[in-house]
Amino acid sequence: AQKVTQAQTEISVVEKEDVTLDCVYETRDTTYYLFWYKQPPSGELVFLIRRNSFDEQNEISGRYSWNFQKSTSSFNFTITASQVVDSAVYFCAPKGGSYIPTFGRGTSLIVHP
Amino acid sequence: EADIYQTPRYLVIGTGKKITLECSQTMGHDKMYWYQQDPGMELHLIHYSYGVNSTEKGDLSSESTVSRIRTEHFPLTLESARPSHTSQYLCASSDAPVGNTGELFFGEGSRLTVL
Repeated sequence: AQKVTQAQTEISVVEKEDVTLDCVYETRDTTYYLFWYKQPPSGELVFLIRRNSFDEQNEISGRYSWNFQKSTSSFNFTITASQVVDSAVYFCAPKGGSYIPTFGRGTSLIVHP
Repeated sequence: EADIYQTPRYLVIGTGKKITLECSQTMGHDKMYWYQQDPGMELHLIHYSYGVNSTEKGDLSSESTVSRIRTEHFPLTLESARPSHTSQYLCASSDAPVGNTGELFFGEGSRLTVL
């Protein structure tokens, strides 16, 4: 089983600011995947990004980027030039060999116009 | 766009009633999950299934039951609802034939209120 810590309960920014959401995980699996999901006010969780444990190359996808540091068990997610539509709760979710992801408590992001 | 549907979206019922929350997906996914989420809180896994006739209890103890008679259908039933069952219930599915790479596709959720 995995354990996830999202220490930031709520983050409030003004539109166009960059914002980084932190995620620290624990797992006994040697191979695992890390996911970020977004839950807008409508309630439906939407998959954002995925990273496997043996590839620490950080990537950028549009306004999203992520920083995976296996040595510190962190998988941080950054939104560049935030927009009001980015306001949502963001969940970090590692998934190991059991095929069952573990969700953190989520970070509520509020982007003000 | 995900093809996973939950009904009802909202349900208000009295204590003691039997309810079934429906979840259907048209993607042919083998793995399906039920999560319970209270407002502002994390998701707790209550049931999951790896395929037809396979059901397992999740990390969070729940008085609900599930069945998986068809690949596309994973209903959740509460025989006698209580106010403590008031919560949002999220259904999800995943297609990961090799390894554990597959992301979850979520329905819009069923928000249950038991009076």
